[in-house]
Amino acid sequence: QLQLQESGPGLVKPAETLSLTCSVSGGSMRNSAYFWGWIRQPPGKGLEWIASIYYGGTTNYNPSLRSRVTISVDTSKSQFSLRLTAVTATDTAVYYCARVVLAGINWFDPWGQGTLVTVSS
Amino acid sequence: QSVLTQPPSVSGAPGQRVTISCTGSSSNIGAPFDVHWYQQLPGTAPRLLIYRNINRPSGVPDRFSGSKSGTSASLAITGLQAEDEADYYCQSYDSSLSASVFGGGTKLSVL
Repeated sequence: QLQLQESGPGLVKPAETLSLTCSVSGGSMRNSAYFWGWIRQPPGKGLEWIASIYYGGTTNYNPSLRSRVTISVDTSKSQFSLRLTAVTATDTAVYYCARVVLAGINWFDPWGQGTLVTVSS
Repeated sequence: QSVLTQPPSVSGAPGQRVTISCTGSSSNIGAPFDVHWYQQLPGTAPRLLIYRNINRPSGVPDRFSGSKSGTSASLAITGLQAEDEADYYCQSYDSSLSASVFGGGTKLSVL
């Protein structure tokens, strides 16, 4: 059974860079049917797709965050990562990683448990 | 403000049927792009509930069903149970935004 697990600092200072890693287990990332993605959820609010990446390196970004986001993949470690620069308090959220199913309009399944990142000095 | 509009909350008594709407536009649901639904139990990650408008992943009870028409989609839950109390989100793609988009979420309360 595929499992995803987010890891990274829980506290980031304003103007610094948020870096998270998602570790994938129970299956191979090298599958043409999937991308791998990041979604976030501010406390008490809704979900926002951030970015997705194919094992070969092809990327898709949410235009609203594109200028600050980089997603990367390391299939040898079964991991993919997120970097978000110049963070502010509005970037405080639970960050989820998920497998992106490629079938028409993509969907997300399964999800990691999520990791809370707080932006504060 | 999401481009997919959901009611903030719905409620129902155990055993009843409730529906949750997801209203979009010609650049998303009406394009027509598929709609997917997720259930988020308190304190947990979202899980896929319905994909491609009407399909249930294995393990999802048939009490949950989806539908889509025009620029809207709906999630119906029959035989409401206490364990159904959760937040529900619709998701699609928006061609104007060039992004996957989620509805604002609906909190289901089982009375």
